[in-house]
Amino acid sequence: DQQVKQNSPSLSVQEGRISILNCDYTNSMFDYFLWYKKYPAEGPTFLISISSIKDKNEDGRFTVFLNKSAKHLSLHIVPSQPGDSAVYFCAALFSGNTPLVFGKGTRLSVIA
Amino acid sequence: GAVVSQHPSWVICKSGTSVKIECRSLDFQATTMFWYRQFPKQSLMLMATSNEGSKATYEQGVEKDKFLINHASLTLSTLTVTSAHPEDSSFYICSARDPSGGFGTQYFGPGTRLTVL
Repeated sequence: DQQVKQNSPSLSVQEGRISILNCDYTNSMFDYFLWYKKYPAEGPTFLISISSIKDKNEDGRFTVFLNKSAKHLSLHIVPSQPGDSAVYFCAALFSGNTPLVFGKGTRLSVIA
Repeated sequence: GAVVSQHPSWVICKSGTSVKIECRSLDFQATTMFWYRQFPKQSLMLMATSNEGSKATYEQGVEKDKFLINHASLTLSTLTVTSAHPEDSSFYICSARDPSGGFGTQYFGPGTRLTVL
């Protein structure tokens, strides 16, 4: 049973527009949510995170929104740039020294 | 920022041989490291949690005798794929959590592409 779901395998966005990547989760006990960016044949790189006690976190062009009642979070990238083209993984974490639980990823293509 | 390295970045081996992959945390001491495996167009699947000085904890369905994990120091964990077969061909990624950084400071290595002929 997948606890973290990214239902859109791919997304195409025009350069300069907003990219919205969505993620749903089933376990309300997750304490922390993270977004990672991954290029082919490379390890994921951390982008932004949000604690379960917050509903928004912003870092430059990246903003993550958390809706706990809907068990839904989203990553907004604005403005989108061609270099943002990659696979984006949503991940969730319990308190303590536990591993990340990943979604399947969404491939973002930003078209110039 | 924190860096996690992996070696080798890619390896090709014959079926039946064993392959060792190293994962090092370069800027911090990691009491816990994680090993993931990624098939093409799939998510990262956690294989095992490696704790320094103790036995690794394996996820369901992962053969501990086939994927040997050793976390002998606070900066090094190794994954050995024993008697490798073509179905073990995959992209293996390790990660390490910086204990001083709080939640969210889990850094990933660049991955190791294993091809078993």
